[in-house]
Amino acid sequence: DADVTQTPRNRITKTGKRIMLECSQTKGHDRMYWYRQDPGLGLRLIYYSFDVKDINKGEISDGYSVSRQAQAKFSLSLESAIPNQTALYFCATSDGSSGVNQPQHFGDGTRLSIL
Amino acid sequence: SQQGEEDPQALSIQEGENATMNCSYKTSINNLQWYRQNSGRGLVHLILIRSNEREKHSGRLRVTLDTSKKSSSLLITASRAADTASYFCAHESYGQNFVFGPGTRLSVLP
Repeated sequence: DADVTQTPRNRITKTGKRIMLECSQTKGHDRMYWYRQDPGLGLRLIYYSFDVKDINKGEISDGYSVSRQAQAKFSLSLESAIPNQTALYFCATSDGSSGVNQPQHFGDGTRLSIL
Repeated sequence: SQQGEEDPQALSIQEGENATMNCSYKTSINNLQWYRQNSGRGLVHLILIRSNEREKHSGRLRVTLDTSKKSSSLLITASRAADTASYFCAHESYGQNFVFGPGTRLSVLP
Protein backbone atom coordinates (compact mmCIF):
# COMPACT_ATOMS: atom_id res chain seq x y z
CA ASP A 1 0.00 0.00 0.00
CA ALA A 2 1.13 3.53 -0.78
CA ASP A 3 2.38 5.58 2.16
CA VAL A 4 0.86 8.79 0.75
CA THR A 5 -2.47 8.31 -1.02
CA GLN A 6 -4.19 10.93 -3.12
CA THR A 7 -7.77 10.78 -4.34
CA PRO A 8 -9.00 11.09 -6.98
CA ARG A 9 -6.13 10.30 -9.38
CA ASN A 10 -7.86 12.06 -12.23
CA ARG A 11 -10.65 14.61 -12.33
CA ILE A 12 -12.29 16.56 -15.11
CA THR A 13 -14.68 19.31 -14.12
CA LYS A 14 -16.19 22.57 -15.29
CA THR A 15 -15.35 26.18 -14.53
CA GLY A 16 -17.02 27.42 -11.36
CA LYS A 17 -17.33 24.03 -9.67
CA ARG A 18 -16.04 23.38 -6.15
CA ILE A 19 -13.48 20.60 -6.02
CA MET A 20 -11.80 18.81 -3.15
CA LEU A 21 -8.63 16.80 -3.46
CA GLU A 22 -7.79 14.49 -0.60
CA CYS A 23 -4.55 13.21 0.82
CA SER A 24 -3.96 10.65 3.52
CA GLN A 25 -0.71 9.23 4.85
CA THR A 26 0.39 6.25 6.91
CA LYS A 27 3.94 7.46 7.53
CA GLY A 28 3.12 9.16 10.84
CA HIS A 29 4.65 12.43 9.63
CA ASP A 30 3.56 15.70 11.17
CA ARG A 31 4.26 17.92 8.14
CA MET A 32 2.09 17.88 5.03
CA TYR A 33 2.24 19.91 1.82
CA TRP A 34 0.24 20.60 -1.33
CA TYR A 35 2.04 21.44 -4.58
CA ARG A 36 0.98 21.98 -8.16
CA GLN A 37 3.13 21.00 -11.11
CA ASP A 38 2.93 22.72 -14.47
CA PRO A 39 5.09 21.87 -17.48
CA GLY A 40 8.41 23.70 -17.36
CA LEU A 41 7.77 25.24 -13.95
CA GLY A 42 8.60 22.46 -11.54
CA LEU A 43 6.60 22.23 -8.33
CA ARG A 44 5.13 25.25 -6.62
CA LEU A 45 3.96 25.20 -3.02
CA ILE A 46 0.28 25.99 -2.43
CA TYR A 47 -0.20 25.37 1.32
CA TYR A 48 1.59 23.54 4.08
CA SER A 49 0.84 22.37 7.59
CA PHE A 50 3.30 21.47 10.33
CA ASP A 51 0.65 19.96 12.61
CA VAL A 52 -3.13 19.71 12.93
CA LYS A 53 -3.56 23.27 14.22
CA ASP A 54 -1.06 24.84 11.85
CA ILE A 55 -1.92 26.02 8.32
CA ASN A 56 0.35 28.24 6.22
CA LYS A 57 0.11 29.78 2.78
CA GLY A 58 2.70 28.87 0.21
CA GLU A 59 3.84 30.64 -2.93
CA ILE A 60 0.54 30.36 -4.83
CA SER A 61 -2.35 30.04 -2.36
CA ASP A 62 -4.85 32.37 -4.08
CA GLY A 63 -7.94 30.45 -5.21
CA TYR A 64 -7.19 27.50 -2.92
CA SER A 65 -8.00 26.52 0.66
CA VAL A 66 -6.96 23.57 2.82
CA SER A 67 -8.13 21.61 5.82
CA ARG A 68 -6.03 19.45 8.13
CA GLN A 69 -8.69 17.13 9.50
CA ALA A 70 -6.24 14.91 11.39
CA GLN A 71 -2.51 14.32 11.46
CA ALA A 72 -2.93 11.83 8.63
CA LYS A 73 -5.31 13.83 6.41
CA PHE A 74 -4.82 17.05 4.49
CA SER A 75 -7.33 18.15 1.85
CA LEU A 76 -7.08 20.86 -0.80
CA SER A 77 -10.14 22.71 -2.09
CA LEU A 78 -10.73 24.85 -5.13
CA GLU A 79 -13.76 26.93 -4.20
CA SER A 80 -14.61 27.99 -7.74
CA ALA A 81 -12.39 26.27 -10.26
CA ILE A 82 -10.96 28.16 -13.25
CA PRO A 83 -9.17 26.78 -16.33
CA ASN A 84 -5.71 28.02 -15.30
CA GLN A 85 -5.91 25.74 -12.26
CA THR A 86 -5.59 22.81 -14.63
CA ALA A 87 -2.44 21.07 -13.42
CA LEU A 88 -0.99 18.05 -11.69
CA TYR A 89 -1.40 18.32 -7.91
CA PHE A 90 0.85 16.57 -5.40
CA CYS A 91 0.57 15.99 -1.71
CA ALA A 92 3.76 15.39 0.26
CA THR A 93 4.74 14.65 3.85
CA SER A 94 7.90 15.00 5.89
CA ASP A 95 9.11 14.26 9.39
CA GLY A 96 9.55 17.47 11.38
CA SER A 97 10.40 15.86 14.71
CA SER A 98 14.05 16.92 14.46
CA GLY A 99 13.04 20.52 13.93
CA VAL A 100 14.69 20.71 10.51
CA ASN A 101 13.32 19.89 7.10
CA GLN A 102 13.71 16.25 6.10
CA PRO A 103 13.16 14.61 2.69
CA GLN A 104 9.61 14.79 1.45
CA HIS A 105 7.50 11.78 0.50
CA PHE A 106 5.08 12.30 -2.36
CA GLY A 107 1.79 10.80 -3.44
CA ASP A 108 1.28 9.87 -7.08
CA GLY A 109 -0.65 13.02 -7.84
CA THR A 110 -4.08 14.13 -9.01
CA ARG A 111 -4.39 15.20 -12.61
CA LEU A 112 -7.03 17.95 -12.64
CA SER A 113 -8.55 19.37 -15.81
CA ILE A 114 -10.93 22.31 -15.70
CA LEU A 115 -12.94 22.99 -18.82
CA SER B 1 11.07 34.24 -7.51
CA GLN B 2 13.50 32.09 -5.57
CA GLN B 3 13.11 29.23 -7.99
CA GLY B 4 16.39 27.76 -9.11
CA GLU B 5 17.28 26.58 -12.55
CA GLU B 6 18.28 23.23 -13.91
CA ASP B 7 20.48 22.59 -16.87
CA PRO B 8 19.99 21.04 -19.31
CA GLN B 9 16.20 21.00 -19.65
CA ALA B 10 16.46 17.69 -21.49
CA LEU B 11 19.23 15.15 -21.92
CA SER B 12 19.37 12.07 -24.11
CA ILE B 13 22.18 9.50 -23.74
CA GLN B 14 22.95 5.88 -24.52
CA GLU B 15 22.82 3.13 -21.91
CA GLY B 16 26.15 2.83 -20.13
CA GLU B 17 27.05 6.50 -20.51
CA ASN B 18 27.20 8.95 -17.62
CA ALA B 19 24.56 11.66 -17.19
CA THR B 20 25.29 14.99 -15.53
CA MET B 21 22.61 17.46 -14.51
CA ASN B 22 23.22 20.84 -12.96
CA CYS B 23 21.20 23.00 -10.63
CA SER B 24 21.67 26.63 -9.64
CA TYR B 25 19.95 28.66 -6.95
CA LYS B 26 19.89 32.26 -5.82
CA THR B 27 19.96 32.37 -2.02
CA SER B 28 22.05 30.99 0.82
CA ILE B 29 20.86 27.49 1.63
CA ASN B 30 20.68 25.06 4.50
CA ASN B 31 20.57 21.98 2.32
CA LEU B 32 19.79 20.82 -1.19
CA GLN B 33 18.03 17.67 -2.30
CA TRP B 34 17.64 15.78 -5.56
CA TYR B 35 14.46 13.94 -6.54
CA ARG B 36 13.45 11.67 -9.41
CA GLN B 37 10.02 11.58 -11.03
CA ASN B 38 8.97 8.74 -13.28
CA SER B 39 6.23 9.50 -15.76
CA GLY B 40 2.83 9.67 -14.08
CA ARG B 41 4.23 9.22 -10.58
CA GLY B 42 5.19 11.33 -7.60
CA LEU B 43 8.69 12.51 -6.80
CA VAL B 44 11.08 10.16 -5.05
CA HIS B 45 13.89 11.45 -2.86
CA LEU B 46 17.42 10.53 -3.99
CA ILE B 47 20.02 12.44 -1.98
CA LEU B 48 20.22 15.28 0.55
CA ILE B 49 23.42 17.30 0.79
CA ARG B 50 23.94 19.86 3.54
CA SER B 51 25.53 23.25 3.03
CA ASN B 52 28.72 22.19 4.84
CA GLU B 53 29.17 19.16 2.58
CA ARG B 54 30.83 19.20 -0.84
CA GLU B 55 30.10 15.73 -2.18
CA LYS B 56 27.86 12.75 -1.44
CA HIS B 57 27.50 9.35 -3.02
CA SER B 58 24.66 6.85 -3.15
CA GLY B 59 25.18 3.84 -5.37
CA ARG B 60 25.61 5.13 -8.93
CA LEU B 61 24.66 8.67 -7.89
CA ARG B 62 27.15 11.40 -7.05
CA VAL B 63 26.07 14.84 -5.93
CA THR B 64 28.35 17.84 -5.54
CA LEU B 65 27.60 21.19 -3.97
CA ASP B 66 29.50 24.45 -4.52
CA THR B 67 28.01 27.07 -2.24
CA SER B 68 30.34 29.78 -3.57
CA LYS B 69 28.85 29.32 -7.03
CA LYS B 70 25.37 28.50 -5.69
CA SER B 71 25.26 25.35 -7.77
CA SER B 72 24.96 21.60 -7.48
CA SER B 73 25.37 18.72 -9.89
CA LEU B 74 23.95 15.20 -10.05
CA LEU B 75 25.99 12.56 -11.83
CA ILE B 76 24.48 9.20 -12.72
CA THR B 77 27.17 6.73 -13.74
CA ALA B 78 26.69 3.77 -16.08
CA SER B 79 23.14 4.81 -16.86
CA ARG B 80 20.37 2.29 -17.50
CA ALA B 81 17.08 2.55 -19.38
CA ALA B 82 15.35 2.49 -16.00
CA ASP B 83 17.03 5.81 -15.13
CA THR B 84 14.80 7.51 -17.70
CA ALA B 85 12.88 10.10 -15.66
CA SER B 86 12.77 13.76 -14.73
CA TYR B 87 15.20 14.92 -12.09
CA PHE B 88 14.59 17.87 -9.80
CA CYS B 89 16.72 19.73 -7.32
CA ALA B 90 15.10 21.41 -4.33
CA HIS B 91 16.91 23.84 -2.10
CA GLU B 92 16.01 24.94 1.39
CA SER B 93 16.95 28.31 2.80
CA TYR B 94 17.10 28.73 6.55
CA GLY B 95 13.60 28.78 8.01
CA GLN B 96 11.99 28.44 4.60
CA ASN B 97 10.36 25.60 2.71
CA PHE B 98 11.92 23.77 -0.17
CA VAL B 99 11.99 25.47 -3.57
CA PHE B 100 11.98 23.11 -6.55
CA GLY B 101 13.65 23.76 -9.87
CA PRO B 102 11.91 23.08 -13.22
CA GLY B 103 13.70 19.75 -13.69
CA THR B 104 15.79 17.93 -16.27
CA ARG B 105 14.19 15.25 -18.45
CA LEU B 106 16.63 12.38 -18.90
CA SER B 107 16.16 9.78 -21.62
CA VAL B 108 18.45 6.76 -21.57
CA LEU B 109 18.32 4.90 -24.86
CA PRO B 110 18.92 1.15 -24.98
